[in-house]
Amino acid sequence: SQTIHQWPATLVQPVGSPLSLECTVEGTSNPNLYWYRQAAGRGLQLLFYSVGIGQISSEVPQNLSASRPQDRQFILSSKKLLLSDSGFYLCACRSGISTGELFFGEGSRLTVL
Amino acid sequence: GQQLNQSPQSMFIQEGEDVSMNCTSSSIFNTWLWYKQDPGEGPVLLIALYKAGELTSNGRLTAQFGITRKDSFLNISASIPSDVGIYFCAGLDTGNQFYFGTGTSLTVIP
Repeated sequence: SQTIHQWPATLVQPVGSPLSLECTVEGTSNPNLYWYRQAAGRGLQLLFYSVGIGQISSEVPQNLSASRPQDRQFILSSKKLLLSDSGFYLCACRSGISTGELFFGEGSRLTVL
Repeated sequence: GQQLNQSPQSMFIQEGEDVSMNCTSSSIFNTWLWYKQDPGEGPVLLIALYKAGELTSNGRLTAQFGITRKDSFLNISASIPSDVGIYFCAGLDTGNQFYFGTGTSLTVIP
């Protein structure tokens, strides 16, 4: 089964600073990749998903962006962070549309001060 | 987007007791997933269900895909302290979209 790595695990950034969260996947090819944000209330909010290299779909308009430079790499970025960007960010992987299983990474905790 | 109705929101049980939680949806799902999440970590997939009526076990965990395809249940038998955590359901609809429950917080009292 696939393994999903996220880094950094924890990040504290000032308002207005840039952001880069990385996610890499092992053990699968051509996966569907997702970025979710989990707020304190536990609900998962879909931010971006990608079905292939360079293909990004945005679900929520915001100051975040995503990129997929390689098949198994997914990056979440921001040019200027807002206080409201604080949260727990989860990368997830689905090994193609023939399977319904969705696997998550360890998460990245972002605190914007 | 649609959020799944998951209940109960929290449970406090004695070690050794059985636990039951469920999720309901307003639309039909093709897949139901159950996860456990520990504080500060990502959700871990426990059980995946693919057919209406399907009953699947993973150790002391048993989950069922509802006949109507709009609900799912997770049971934990003979709970132990390490069962503590937040349990999420997730569903995959016919449009290939994932939806998530808000979680059930489980506390096991030794």
